Amino acid sequence: GQQLNQSPQSMFIQEGEDVSMNCTSSSIFNTWLWYKQDPGEGPVLLIALYKAGELTSNGRLTAQFGITRKDSFLNISASIPSDVGIYFCAGPNAGNMLTFGGGTRLMVKP
Amino acid sequence: EAGVTQFPSHSVIEKGQTVTLRCDPISGHDNLYWYRRVMGKEIKFLLHFVKESKQDESGMPNNRFLAERTGGTYSTLKVQPAELEDSGVYFCASSQATGEAFFGQGTRLTVV
Repeated sequence: GQQLNQSPQSMFIQEGEDVSMNCTSSSIFNTWLWYKQDPGEGPVLLIALYKAGELTSNGRLTAQFGITRKDSFLNISASIPSDVGIYFCAGPNAGNMLTFGGGTRLMVKP
Repeated sequence: EAGVTQFPSHSVIEKGQTVTLRCDPISGHDNLYWYRRVMGKEIKFLLHFVKESKQDESGMPNNRFLAERTGGTYSTLKVQPAELEDSGVYFCASSQATGEAFFGQGTRLTVV
């Protein structure tokens, strides 16, 4: 089946630093999604990308859909303590079933 | 509008026992999905309902897992008998036809 390789697995950064994480796939996705999971909560959609090469921002978050449609990155600028959580990339298949990456655990030191 | 709600939030059971997880989707969402995340790994798809019908159950690990969605409203996921490797966080999500999937807070299942 399809697999998404997400890196890094975890990051421990200082408040105010920028963060970058990425996902790669062996197969093409027509949509890339980035979710965040806060402790004790379910994943919440942050950004959706629908077109190869698309660059989309949501506040301090920026994500890009790779030209090959096999990769995507998520950047967070000027991190703050509430950015702590697990970030997942995901791609939908037929029936809108999601394939998820392994997650990037972000820890922010005030 | 209420979001996707899951019960219980935590469950600790002994190996061999039965556990039933419940998911109440957002009202009007025909699509309901179950996912699972075992320790440190990716969130994996289990199955997909459209209304009361199972559209895709290719992710169900084995026949110890039984999902139902009688009447096309809430869904249950029963694990019987539970094994140690069933421990993890079980997520439910719901969506309209092709829209964003909204996730519940998850049920953390621990089998001891």
